[in-house]
Amino acid sequence: EPEVTQTPSHQVTQMGQEVILRCVPISNHLYFYWYRQILGQKVEFLVSFYNNEISEKSEIFDDQFSVERPDGSNFTLKIRSTKLEDSAMYFCASMQREVTYEQYFGPGTRLTVT
Amino acid sequence: DAKTTQPPSMDCAEGRAANLPCNHSTISGNEYVYWYRQIHSQGPQYIIHGLKNNETNEMASLIITEDRKSSTLILPHATLRDTAVYYCIGGDSNYQLIWGAGTKLIIKP
Repeated sequence: EPEVTQTPSHQVTQMGQEVILRCVPISNHLYFYWYRQILGQKVEFLVSFYNNEISEKSEIFDDQFSVERPDGSNFTLKIRSTKLEDSAMYFCASMQREVTYEQYFGPGTRLTVT
Repeated sequence: DAKTTQPPSMDCAEGRAANLPCNHSTISGNEYVYWYRQIHSQGPQYIIHGLKNNETNEMASLIITEDRKSSTLILPHATLRDTAVYYCIGGDSNYQLIWGAGTKLIIKP
């Protein structure tokens, strides 16, 4: 069964450094998402991406964040200058079409900012 | 997107049916009800969704009241591997899921 993959599984970085989290969505999916989950808290929407542009973004997704689909398969989330409060699990998800909410999630990348 | 209310936790005996309630009294006519679950910080997993009619798939059944103000997710024969946080999500956006705190379901042997 096709699945969403994410790399790395765990990233440790120092405050102020840039990080890029990578995702490979399911191949025939058209909608892509990033969510984050701070330890012990609920899942929070960050951004959605369709047709090579951002569709929606939350208040969390400020100028420090950017997303890109550099080729036909990868979908990346960049944090330009990490803060301690960016420490969280980051989940990528993809969806095939817009008539359903069936989003498929990857296993997540645990980001630790020290 | 509709706000949903779920009990924070529930227990269920292994092999029994687990019934998870959700209130979504502000849901509008074109908003779906979706259920996802998250097993111990893994990526969330889609379970089922519905609009007006009851729905069933290989994982679960979804019972939606006629006034659509509440619904119940039913896991017919719960196993230990069904221990997870279950999220009821309402909305019509194609782009984002707004998550609540969910129900922590513990299946006991």
